[in-house]
Amino acid sequence: SQTIHQWPATLVQPVGSPLSLECTVEGTSNPNLYWYRQAAGRGLQLLFYSVGIGQISSEVPQNLSASRPQDRQFILSSKKLLLSDSGFYLCAWTTSGSSDTQYFGPGTRLTVL
Amino acid sequence: AQTVTQSQPEMSVQEAETVTLSCTYDTSESNYYLFWYKQPPSRQMILVIRQEAYKQQNATENRFSVNFQKAAKSFSLKISDSQLGDTAMYFCARWGDQGAQKLVFGQGTRLTINP
Repeated sequence: SQTIHQWPATLVQPVGSPLSLECTVEGTSNPNLYWYRQAAGRGLQLLFYSVGIGQISSEVPQNLSASRPQDRQFILSSKKLLLSDSGFYLCAWTTSGSSDTQYFGPGTRLTVL
Repeated sequence: AQTVTQSQPEMSVQEAETVTLSCTYDTSESNYYLFWYKQPPSRQMILVIRQEAYKQQNATENRFSVNFQKAAKSFSLKISDSQLGDTAMYFCARWGDQGAQKLVFGQGTRLTINP
């Protein structure tokens, strides 16, 4: 069966510090991968998605970036965090080329102080 | 615009009651998937139910069922015999048109089940 992992689960970082959030998927090959952000009590904002290694589509211009160094690994990064980067970050995956179910990881709660 | 609309920001019912959450959407496609996700206080996004648009029969998963009206582009979620554990944010979603490899989500409905 497929599983999706995210770490860390919780992160508190000072403004201006770098960020690296990691997401990995097990039990499937060549998945489509997604990064979402969610403010408290709000809906989901799609940040990036990837349909293959090295292929990244950006939905929202900001100081975040994403990379996919391996087939089942998706990384969200920032060189300098802003207060507005605080939120709940969710990684998700879907079978490649499919319009079927999207499965989500447990999420990372990021607080920028 | 490819939109999904949930017109009820918040709802509250008593335990054991039946509640219906509404969702409407627009699309130019004839075949597509629709989804309801649940996000409890843990914030884990959990698939509740999905519907394939070409199937006329409404999807059912235990106490959860949908009322899918394709012509009206309506996709409501009915929760029967509601339980305290059903308290959560509920999001309606569908895939974007023209093979877009990304989901379009509604704004969410915060459902509270009271004891």
